[in-house]
Amino acid sequence: EPEVTQTPSHQVTQMGQEVILRCVPISNHLYFYWYRQILGQKVEFLVSFYNNEISEKSEIFDDQFSVERPDGSNFTLKIRSTKLEDSAMYFCASSDGTGVEPQHFGDGTRLSIL
Amino acid sequence: GDSVTQMEGPVTLSEEAFLTINCTYTATGYPSLFWYVQYPGEGLQLLLKATKADDKGSNKGFEATYRKETTSFHLEKGSVQVSDSAVYFCALSDALKAAGNKLTFGGGTRVLVKP
Repeated sequence: EPEVTQTPSHQVTQMGQEVILRCVPISNHLYFYWYRQILGQKVEFLVSFYNNEISEKSEIFDDQFSVERPDGSNFTLKIRSTKLEDSAMYFCASSDGTGVEPQHFGDGTRLSIL
Repeated sequence: GDSVTQMEGPVTLSEEAFLTINCTYTATGYPSLFWYVQYPGEGLQLLLKATKADDKGSNKGFEATYRKETTSFHLEKGSVQVSDSAVYFCALSDALKAAGNKLTFGGGTRVLVKP
């Protein structure tokens, strides 16, 4: 069964540095998403992406964050000038966009900001 | 805005016990409802879904019925196994919005099944 893959599984970064989290969505999917889960808290929506542009973003997704689909397979989340509170598990997801087809999630990247 | 509330865990059970995890939602539209499961060290996996009122989703012995009148989507399993130990997330998406809309999650319920 096709799956969403995320790299790296764990990223440790110094505060103030930039980090790029990578995702390879399922190949025939059209919608891509990033979510995050701070330890012990809810899974929160960050952003959705379709047709090479952001379709929706949450209030968490401020100017510190950006997303990109640099080629036909990768989908990246860039976090600039990282802060301690950016430490979380980041999940990528994709869907075919039928509206009822569920989103398929990757295993997540654990981001630790020191 | 939309929200999902589920019972807090951890829930500790013995093998073969009956499991219920309560989930209620608030939504302005007509959401689709989901249960996702997260096994230790893994990502979120879809467990089951229901897209309209009175639909019953089922998978791996788990069931949940979309109850519009009580805005609930409680997860049940009649006889749990140690392998069911995981964190369970209730979630919704607003099916009336354009395709590709976000998921809103509950806080997750950790379930521990002891042999």
